[in-house]
Amino acid sequence: KAGVTQTPRYLIKTRGQQVTLSCSPISGHRSVSWYQQTPGQGLQFLFEYFSETQRNKGNFPGRFSGRQFSNSRSEMNVSTLELGDSALYLCASSHDWAYNSPLHFGNGTRLTVT
Amino acid sequence: DQQVKQNSPSLSVQEGRISILNCDYTNSMFDYFLWYKKYPAEGPTFLISISSIKDKNEDGRFTVFLNKSAKHLSLHIVPSQPGDSAVYFCAARGRGGKLIFGQGTELSVKP
Repeated sequence: KAGVTQTPRYLIKTRGQQVTLSCSPISGHRSVSWYQQTPGQGLQFLFEYFSETQRNKGNFPGRFSGRQFSNSRSEMNVSTLELGDSALYLCASSHDWAYNSPLHFGNGTRLTVT
Repeated sequence: DQQVKQNSPSLSVQEGRISILNCDYTNSMFDYFLWYKKYPAEGPTFLISISSIKDKNEDGRFTVFLNKSAKHLSLHIVPSQPGDSAVYFCAARGRGGKLIFGQGTELSVKP
């Protein structure tokens, strides 16, 4: 079974631009979560989607947004990029939204903002 | 407000010995706990989990212990192998809530 696929793997953008990251979950998984990893902050929760609905949201500004499609694929968008948005963005999927369903992560998208 | 804490940023262990990684949490509503392993340039890999109705869960060389009264969990790796060298994250979740991660502990297993 294929794992979680994130595209692109690497991205370089300049301040003020916007970016869209894509995530394809494991086949059959309906829940998708997004995390930001930075050296100083660890893994910070961005948002979680299930059946195209946002179920949980982290403490990030409105410049960060996401959505989930009917095939469970998800995208996240960051508008008006800032230097501090440079990070590894990780997508994870789980079978459902049950609390005891572990997340399975992709290898992330490394975003560099210059 | 850091609800999940891993106070040791790094740990060094000799091959064949036991590795013990620790994690503390503050939110008493957490009832599902997980451990992940992460290599550089890869996403975290799920290792083992435990629900709050248990105090121990074992899977091969990996055992997770949960002490609810102390709000503490630990991961034991026995015996440790050089391939276990990675960053280990603990994570916790309450019913319907988001998964919260600790800051990670870098484990180095020396041959």
